[in-house]
Amino acid sequence: GAVVSQHPSWVICKSGTSVKIECRSLDFQATTMFWYRQFPKQSLMLMATSNEGSKATYEQGVEKDKFLINHASLTLSTLTVTSAHPEDSSFYICSAREPARDIITNSPLHFGNGTRLTVT
Amino acid sequence: GEDVEQSLFLSVREGDSSVINCTYTDSSSTYLYWYKQEPGAGLQLLTYIFSNMDMKQDQRLTVLLNKKDKHLSLRIADTQTGDSAIYFCAERPISSASKIIFGSGTRLSIRP
Repeated sequence: GAVVSQHPSWVICKSGTSVKIECRSLDFQATTMFWYRQFPKQSLMLMATSNEGSKATYEQGVEKDKFLINHASLTLSTLTVTSAHPEDSSFYICSAREPARDIITNSPLHFGNGTRLTVT
Repeated sequence: GEDVEQSLFLSVREGDSSVINCTYTDSSSTYLYWYKQEPGAGLQLLTYIFSNMDMKQDQRLTVLLNKKDKHLSLRIADTQTGDSAIYFCAERPISSASKIIFGSGTRLSIRP
């Protein structure tokens, strides 16, 4: 089945540094990828929609200058947390939509295994 | 508006059936989903149901949809310890075809 690979699975960084998280669709082309943030014991909060070859669409309240998204190819989207601070510590999950095989079939959303970011 | 609600916790005895409930507000939703998240991992799509269906069964999983009441449930038969996880209900509103709206998740714990 379709697989989404997310790397790294965990990262610890110092306050003020930047961290890049990669999201790859391994056996399908994903024109659209999504980035979520999950706080402990809470649901997923959609941060942004990443579109291949164009600018990402950010949800209300998400700082686009802080969370830089690049979707340079049909299989790779990256999220860079710039000038990270302890309050950015969280679990970040990406997902990619597998294209529907026809107009009737639902196009499933596949998730990466997430990246645990800890900013000290 | 778009909102999906679930109870936060459910505890069942091993071997019993688990029923996880969810309500949603957007009546235009096209698809409704159940995802499973194990500790420290991403989300795994368990099953989904199209909005014109009432029921879908897949091995131990049964999804029931009451569109009138905007109520979705997931029944897991013969619950096993490996079913311990957080289960997310999600909807895909027709108004925002590319987005999926998640509920808060129900943490299922299994007791011997």
